[in-house]
Amino acid sequence: DARVTQTPRHKVTEMGQEVTMRCQPILGHNTVFWYRQTMMQGLELLAYFRNRAPLDDSGMPKDRFSAEMPDATLATLKIQPSEPRDSAVYFCASGLVLGSLSSGNTIYFGEGSWLTVV
Amino acid sequence: KQEVTQIPAALSVPEGENLVLNCSFTDSAIYNLQWFRQDPGKGLTSLLLIQSSQREQTSGRLNASLDKSSGRSTLYIAASQPGDSATYLCAVRIQGAQKLVFGQGTRLTINP
Repeated sequence: DARVTQTPRHKVTEMGQEVTMRCQPILGHNTVFWYRQTMMQGLELLAYFRNRAPLDDSGMPKDRFSAEMPDATLATLKIQPSEPRDSAVYFCASGLVLGSLSSGNTIYFGEGSWLTVV
Repeated sequence: KQEVTQIPAALSVPEGENLVLNCSFTDSAIYNLQWFRQDPGKGLTSLLLIQSSQREQTSGRLNASLDKSSGRSTLYIAASQPGDSATYLCAVRIQGAQKLVFGQGTRLTINP
C-alpha cells in the first residue's frame, strides 16, 4: 500500500535549534508539497516541487525555512533557527501531475510531523 | 486570490442521518476539487476528487457534487455512522498552479 512517509512524527525542540523534517513521496509521483497546519491558519502551502525542481516557495519564511529535494525519494524541510511560532503540524504530500493543462490526479498526504518549539 | 469557505464549522447529528457538508470558493478557474477526511492526530485521507469538467463523484456512501459556475461543492454522506466522525476539508486546485487551497474544515460528530 503506497504511502507518503514523514519523519519525525513528533518533535519537541528548544527555540533556536535547527529542525529538519523528511519526507519520502510515493514512488512515481512527480510533485511534492509541504503544508503547515495550525488551528488559526488552517492548512497553508509552504513550498512545492515538480520533478525535484522548486516551483513555488512563496508561502515559506525565507529567512529561516528552506526546502530541498536531494533526490526523487527524499524531500526535506529545514527550520533554522526555530521559534515558538513555528509550532505546528507539517505535512508532506505527493501526487502525479501531468502538464499545466492537466486537471491532475489525487494528492496524497503523509501523517505529518508534529513540531513543538519551546 | 482564491478563498475556500466551509460551512458549518462544526456539525453534530445522530447516527443514521443523511447529511450535507458545504464548500464554496471565490474563483471558478479551478482544475479540480478534492474532499479530504482528517482524524484527530492524523494526516489527510483523500475521499473524492472531482475534475472541473465533472458534476459529481461517488464512493460508497459518499457523493460529492461540483457547480463550478456558482463556486460550490457539497459532500453528501448517506446513513451516517459514528466512524464518520472526523474533520472534512475541501480543497481546490487553482488553474496555473499545482497547489491546493484548503477550506478550514467542518468538524463532524456522529452520535450513536
